[in-house]
Amino acid sequence: EAGVTQFPSHSVIEKGQTVTLRCDPISGHDNLYWYRRVMGKEIKFLLHFVKESKQDESGMPNNRFLAERTGGTYSTLKVQPAELEDSGVYFCASSRVRASLTDTQYFGPGTRLTVL
Amino acid sequence: AQSVTQPDIHITVSEGASLELRCNYSYGATPYLFWYVQSPGQGLQLLLKYFSGDTLVQGIKGFEAEFKRSQSSFNLRKPSVHWSDAAEYFCAVGASGAGSYQLTFGKGTKLSVIP
Repeated sequence: EAGVTQFPSHSVIEKGQTVTLRCDPISGHDNLYWYRRVMGKEIKFLLHFVKESKQDESGMPNNRFLAERTGGTYSTLKVQPAELEDSGVYFCASSRVRASLTDTQYFGPGTRLTVL
Repeated sequence: AQSVTQPDIHITVSEGASLELRCNYSYGATPYLFWYVQSPGQGLQLLLKYFSGDTLVQGIKGFEAEFKRSQSSFNLRKPSVHWSDAAEYFCAVGASGAGSYQLTFGKGTKLSVIP
């Protein structure tokens, strides 16, 4: 079984540009989460999808961030326009059918975003 | 709101030595507690988790953790470290209720292993 995959693994862009990160969850996992780790800080929750619906987007930093999950499969996270403070590692995770803390969240390797 | 503190940013141990990584959490109710490990180039892998019951939890790769409510701690231990254990370790707490399933992480502890 393939794990959670993320693309690209690294992205370097200039301030003001747009970047789109992609996450493919484990097949059959209805729950998809985005997290972010800014250098030297904690991994922080951004949002949670159940299928194509946003269950919890309380961690989204501002309206420059747009997450989508059309069809309830893969998800994209767009940053537009990117700012310097958006640099960090963006992790995606997925879990099985029923949203629950007892269900393991499986993490991808992350996308390292650098904004110059 | 819940929080997690991992007081050690970097720990170095010799191969074969015992290991204890500290984790303290702040949460009003009974927490859901997790330890994840991230090896270079890999995603976070779940080592173990605690929800209820026996406070000593066994995980993968020979790791265990003990939940101590009185100390708000969930320290990770391993009796004998292997070189392949060199990685970054994250403690996390999950808050149940109100439809939230997000995890709150500590800053991580980077483990180096000396041959």
